[in-house]
Amino acid sequence: NAGVMQNPRHLVRRRGQEARLRCSPMKGHSHVYWYRQLPEEGLKFMVYLQKENIIDESGMPKERFSAEFPKEGPSILRIQQVVRGDSAAYFCASSPRSGSTYEQYFGPGTRLTVT
Amino acid sequence: AQTVTQSQPEMSVQEAETVTLSCTYDTSESDYYLFWYKQPPSRQMILVIRQEAYKQQNATENRFSVNFQKAAKSFSLKISDSQLGDAAMYFCAYTKGNTPLVFGKGTRLSVIA
Repeated sequence: NAGVMQNPRHLVRRRGQEARLRCSPMKGHSHVYWYRQLPEEGLKFMVYLQKENIIDESGMPKERFSAEFPKEGPSILRIQQVVRGDSAAYFCASSPRSGSTYEQYFGPGTRLTVT
Repeated sequence: AQTVTQSQPEMSVQEAETVTLSCTYDTSESDYYLFWYKQPPSRQMILVIRQEAYKQQNATENRFSVNFQKAAKSFSLKISDSQLGDAAMYFCAYTKGNTPLVFGKGTRLSVIA
């Protein structure tokens, strides 16, 4: 059973460009979370999605950031007009939600560098 | 809002010895779930151990065990027989079950050969 997949693993963008980060959850998982980790800090929640629905986006900046989880295909975190402060590691986690422990399984992360 | 506090930014332990990492949290919920995640230099987040708040028995996974004190809102991780591969950042995390994880700031563990 493949784990959570994220691509690309590393992404370099110039200021003003767009960044697209992809996440494929574990098989059978229909809940996806995105987290951001700044250097030397813990993970901070950004957005929680189920298939075709955004459940909670309270941690995501209202401008330039958007997320989707379509019926088919991976979840996408999109950052428009990137700035240097967007440089961070972005992690995706998935959960089956049918279990009793609510644990989340993480992908390897995408390290975004804005130059 | 729920918060998770890890008061030890860095810890070190001799190989084969035991170390305890501290975590406290704040919540008004009675049912919730606590986790310890390990993040090695590869930055992959690895689930180490989980604890359901409704369970009185402390969780154990091989060399890893927790001391869960619900009244004190404390959730410490004990690593026994420490190995070089245990060196990593360790994050304590909380969820009430249908919400995103809330993480502490982490403890960097060094293992001395």
